[in-house]
Amino acid sequence: DTGVSQDPRHKITKRGQNVTFRCDPISEHNRLYWYRQTLGQGPEFLTYFQNEAQLEKSRLLSDRFSAERPKGSFSTLEIQRTEQGDSAMYLCASSSGGEDEKLFFGSGTQLSVL
Amino acid sequence: SQQGEEDPQALSIQEGENATMNCSYKTSINNLQWYRQNSGRGLVHLILIRSNEREKHSGRLRVTLDTSKKSSSLLITASRAADTASYFCATDAKGNEKLTFGTGTRLTIIP
Repeated sequence: DTGVSQDPRHKITKRGQNVTFRCDPISEHNRLYWYRQTLGQGPEFLTYFQNEAQLEKSRLLSDRFSAERPKGSFSTLEIQRTEQGDSAMYLCASSSGGEDEKLFFGSGTQLSVL
Repeated sequence: SQQGEEDPQALSIQEGENATMNCSYKTSINNLQWYRQNSGRGLVHLILIRSNEREKHSGRLRVTLDTSKKSSSLLITASRAADTASYFCATDAKGNEKLTFGTGTRLTIIP
């Protein structure tokens, strides 16, 4: 399967714990995005990378959130000291950029903070 | 923040009928895209329309764009049970490097 893959699919954690999610984009894609989606809402932008460079972070992203894409391939999203309000689906998407950019999404990581 | 709003929020129709969803947005755009999301899954790209286009077709999908009203519509003809999903519009705003998604329409096709 050469699509975008995310791991884990589900994560249950206790408030205050740290969690890390991984995203493997489509191999030839140089752009990688993280979005967050809560029930009944559309995806909200968190951050994106062009190769290994993090080019933009949403103001929604508190300093408890950090994302990396060390070699311009896979990416990790870490949430420190999780709060119940962090419960959401975390979606990763990749693209080749350019005009008429289209995003290819993974199946997401569903985070539940108890 | 959400750039677009879809209308209606939820829609239920009989199989074989046509489904129409609308999207309104706020800023000037390069293009507008529609995505589908099955429950608990990621989004799948359906169709893209550029700001200088007014209508586009792809299979059973028809998209229109009215930049003067900052609105778009997605028509699915001859609906099938497999079309049951949430549908989101997303805009590629001028001067922005990311897609911004609307709130979605939940479509249910009744067999």
